[in-house]
Amino acid sequence: GAGVSQSPSNKVTEKGKDVELRCDPISGHTALYWYRQSLGQGLEFLIYFQGNSAPDKSGLPSDRFSAERTGGSVSTLTIQRTQQEDSAVYLCASSPTSRGHGELFFGEGSRLTVL
Amino acid sequence: GDSVTQMEGPVTLSEEAFLTINCTYTATGYPSLFWYVQYPGEGLQLLLKATKADDKGSNKGFEATYRKETTSFHLEKGSVQVSDSAVYFCALSAGTASKLTFGTGTRLQVTL
Repeated sequence: GAGVSQSPSNKVTEKGKDVELRCDPISGHTALYWYRQSLGQGLEFLIYFQGNSAPDKSGLPSDRFSAERTGGSVSTLTIQRTQQEDSAVYLCASSPTSRGHGELFFGEGSRLTVL
Repeated sequence: GDSVTQMEGPVTLSEEAFLTINCTYTATGYPSLFWYVQYPGEGLQLLLKATKADDKGSNKGFEATYRKETTSFHLEKGSVQVSDSAVYFCALSAGTASKLTFGTGTRLQVTL
């Protein structure tokens, strides 16, 4: 399909393990965003990419979280030494430009459960 | 910092009832305002937006008016349908990077 694709859709892991979440944005979209949606809370901004660079990573909760984007396309969000409080749905969104006036196109998310 | 406050859910309505979901915001400058909707099993999608004061966004029978004087962007629909059952998120964008600040979401359940 032509939408934002995220994988895995579901991930169950043990506390202390590392996880990688992948996002394939819509082709040609230069801006890419990661958000986190926790139960009972709104969407929490994590990081924003313009091309391969991340001008705003202010939402990453700790140094256990990192993200990269390569080729101006696919992005990977990595969580090291996962904790139970990392359990959430991680959403990726893309936009044609960083000045898209807020019209972000979201994937269906990766649900992470840390036991 | 920027923030969005929206009414807590869940909101349960009968089909054809009138819907209002309140949303207020705090932001520096002149933000753009949005309503996103998340249908069961789907990703968030833009429902409507307004980019300046007094603008009205509308889509699928939903409307919201950007009220700068009350810093509000309430979502309304005159007659809801079962298919409108979803979670609705109010959001704002106040910078140049289209970074959105979201409210906590309001779940709407419409029954026959």
